[in-house]
Amino acid sequence: NAGVTQTPKFQVLKTGQSMTLQCAQDMNHNSMYWYRQDPGMGLRLIYYSASEGTTDKGEVPNGYNVSRLNKREFSLRLESAAPSQTSVYFCASSDHNRAANEKLFFGSGTQLSVL
Amino acid sequence: QKEVEQDPGPLSVPEGAIVSLNCTYSNSAFQYFMWYRQYSRKGPELLMYTYSSGNKEDGRFTAQVDKSSKYISLFIRDSQPSDSATYLCAMIGGTSYGKLTFGQGTILTVHP
Repeated sequence: NAGVTQTPKFQVLKTGQSMTLQCAQDMNHNSMYWYRQDPGMGLRLIYYSASEGTTDKGEVPNGYNVSRLNKREFSLRLESAAPSQTSVYFCASSDHNRAANEKLFFGSGTQLSVL
Repeated sequence: QKEVEQDPGPLSVPEGAIVSLNCTYSNSAFQYFMWYRQYSRKGPELLMYTYSSGNKEDGRFTAQVDKSSKYISLFIRDSQPSDSATYLCAMIGGTSYGKLTFGQGTILTVHP
């Protein structure tokens, strides 16, 4: 019963390097999300995918790209990492086929440092 | 001004105390109100979920929503050391499909 799985758990990058954060869910949820969490800022939505084949920008999309590979997987890519992207990144999923469709299930996070 | 304001604390209480956590918001469209609990180095987990105004109780936890004042609260009775965590309020309105707006989170420590 894995839920939402994120990899890697920790990553250190140099400015300008690229990387992809992976996320997979096994709950057959339609919607998936990427959030970042910074001290004093709470959780902020980067991108979301309401259903397989669709993606949309959230509150802070600049510097990121996403791919909804299939119903299970939603990846987040940093093309040219910047120190301002140092953060903890959370993937989440939800099932909009249910009445209470705003219940998000989160992964355990990726702690990213950009030097 | 942020749409959702939450006192970051930290809040430190003795075991057995009643804890009150609060958030205010400015967007009248918010209809669903949630509280998430986040343990250190873990993802947030849904603790309480309410729709519109009113109270909801689940064991030692009570969530209150006052839409007229744009104010929500989470009460924890008989607090335990295992309740030590960061508590995040979150809310959403209409058809925003999971695009929750979160408060900054309140760090709670319950000491034995």
